[in-house]
Amino acid sequence: DQQVKQNSPSLSVQEGRISILNCDYTNSMFDYFLWYKKYPAEGPTFLISISSIKDKNEDGRFTVFLNKSAKHLSLHIVPSQPGDSAVYFCAASANNNDMRFGAGTRLTVKP
Amino acid sequence: ETGVTQSPTHLIKTRGQQVTLRCSSQSGHNTVSWYQQALGQGPQFIFQYYREEENGRGNFPPRFSGLQFPNYSSELNVNALELDDSALYLCASSLVVSPQETQYFGPGTRLLVL
Repeated sequence: DQQVKQNSPSLSVQEGRISILNCDYTNSMFDYFLWYKKYPAEGPTFLISISSIKDKNEDGRFTVFLNKSAKHLSLHIVPSQPGDSAVYFCAASANNNDMRFGAGTRLTVKP
Repeated sequence: ETGVTQSPTHLIKTRGQQVTLRCSSQSGHNTVSWYQQALGQGPQFIFQYYREEENGRGNFPPRFSGLQFPNYSSELNVNALELDDSALYLCASSLVVSPQETQYFGPGTRLLVL
């Protein structure tokens, strides 16, 4: 069962512009959300997270927004850099249980 | 401080065989989780070990089993391999048992079952 969905398999953005990656979920019990970034031949690395008690969390160029009523979260990268080119996974967990991952979105930032 | 390492990096097996994959946790981490990532999909949780005991399991059959050793390194064993077991297997370690605690992933073992 796909409880976490990333409907865009790929996204291409010009360097310096904003990248917006989207994620939808179906389980209303999810209370913690994370974004991971994955380069080829490496494991996913943690990027940013947000608890369900917040609607926004910011860390440098990365901001995650959570819309609980729409069961939707998004990751904004501003400004985008070529080094941001990677696959981005969103993940969610409920009551401290295991994480459920989306299928990922491949971001390409063009110089 | 060493990161999470996994061995082997690649492996080819035939249907019906058994395989053991290994993971060395990041120094000081006592929790390890294993994930299966099929092509075009996100990682799927297999199980988690905390202080040598299984601490949670995803929707995987019993032929997927694991071990965690006193030094917190870990093994994933898969018996009676099936073609659909072909995937990237990732392990991740963390300091405590909580998805809210940052997990550090290894580079994965790519398994091909023929």
